[in-house]
Amino acid sequence: AQKITQTQPGMFVQEKEAVTLDCTYDTSDPSYGLFWYKQPSSGEMIFLIYQGSYDQQNATEGRYSLNFQKARKSANLVISASQLGDSAMYFCAISNDYKLSFGAGTTVTVRA
Amino acid sequence: GAGVSQSPSNKVTEKGKDVELRCDPISGHTALYWYRQRLGQGLEFLIYFQGNSAPDKSGLPSDRFSAERTGESVSTLTIQRTQQEDSAVYLCASSRDRDTDTQYFGPGTRLTVL
Repeated sequence: AQKITQTQPGMFVQEKEAVTLDCTYDTSDPSYGLFWYKQPSSGEMIFLIYQGSYDQQNATEGRYSLNFQKARKSANLVISASQLGDSAMYFCAISNDYKLSFGAGTTVTVRA
Repeated sequence: GAGVSQSPSNKVTEKGKDVELRCDPISGHTALYWYRQRLGQGLEFLIYFQGNSAPDKSGLPSDRFSAERTGESVSTLTIQRTQQEDSAVYLCASSRDRDTDTQYFGPGTRLTVL
């Protein structure tokens, strides 16, 4: 079974600054995928970024980057140049085969 | 193209009634998933479809829950004899195929059982 741990229930960040959201995972499978999703107050789950377990380079997608440390089983999300619209809940998830297992989420509040 | 759609967006029902939740996946996506999200929590996997077969129903919480899918299209999640603990947001997702393909989510159906 896979498990995701997000230890930060909530974070505040100043507009235009960067923020790092922690995610550690536990799996015995050699092949897996790591995902980050954003869930604003409207409730939709928005895909942000993906990292495959065999990918050599850290994934990047616009202002989102993933700090993947495989040996430490860590997949932290970095949001650069925060914007007010980044205020939302952020979920880390791991996929093996097809099922996604989600962490408890981190609420990010961006301050003007 | 169009994303995943779900209906209704909100459903309020009385305890003991049956409800049906509908999901329209992205066109061409063969894999479809249902998840449940209780207030303030992460998502729990319920069931997975590959085409119209459901290889994994392990997440369905009880035999009151069932789901079906027509071909590689619409899926319906049915909850019979609803209970208050069924109150949650039910999210549907689809992906091009299984494995580690990205899952794209619909807006969810917020179910409230009174």
